[in-house]
Amino acid sequence: QLQLQESGPGLVKPSETLSLTCTVSGGSISSSSYYWGWIRQPPGKGLEWIGSIYYSGSTYYNPSLKSRVTISVDTSKNQFSLKLSSVTAADTAVYYCARRSLREIDYWGQGTLVTVSS
Amino acid sequence: QLVLTQSPSASASLGASVKLTCTLSSGHSSYAIAWHQQQPEKGPRYLMKLNSDGSHSKGDGIPDRFSGSSSGAERYLTISSLQSEDEADYYCQTWGTGSWVFGGGTKLTVL
Repeated sequence: QLQLQESGPGLVKPSETLSLTCTVSGGSISSSSYYWGWIRQPPGKGLEWIGSIYYSGSTYYNPSLKSRVTISVDTSKNQFSLKLSSVTAADTAVYYCARRSLREIDYWGQGTLVTVSS
Repeated sequence: QLVLTQSPSASASLGASVKLTCTLSSGHSSYAIAWHQQQPEKGPRYLMKLNSDGSHSKGDGIPDRFSGSSSGAERYLTISSLQSEDEADYYCQTWGTGSWVFGGGTKLTVL
């Protein structure tokens, strides 16, 4: 059974960089059939796609966040990571990692709450 | 531009059935989508992939009470024999030109 697990600091100061890692177990991140992505959900709001990556390193970003986002992959560790720079309180959210197959997301991580506060 | 539109809320009685709708924007009526359930204070769970012809494949452990259907640009999620644990937010989702797209979600209340 595939599992995705987010990890990283739960508290980040304004203007600093948010860094999260998603560890994939029960399957290979190097499979040619899937893309891997980050999604966030501010408190009480809907889901927002941040960006995604293929095992080869090809990336796609939400245009509204593109200037601040970097997603990378480490196939040797079966992990992919998110960096979001210059964070503000508006970046406070639960961050999820997920796998996409064709058009649909078919696996989600459990999510991790990141609060931006001094 | 690829957009998914959902009604913000729906309600139905315990034991009844409910049909939720997700509408694809113009020019995208052939797209498959996925339905996801998010129970209170939990992360999203994949329910099913739904194709334009109404065929669908469900995720592991999803009860038979959940089914999908399609008509034109509309994608439906039907939940029968509603149970209290079905009270949740339901999101439709798809992908297009590199972007993962979500509907705004429908909050289902079980009366």
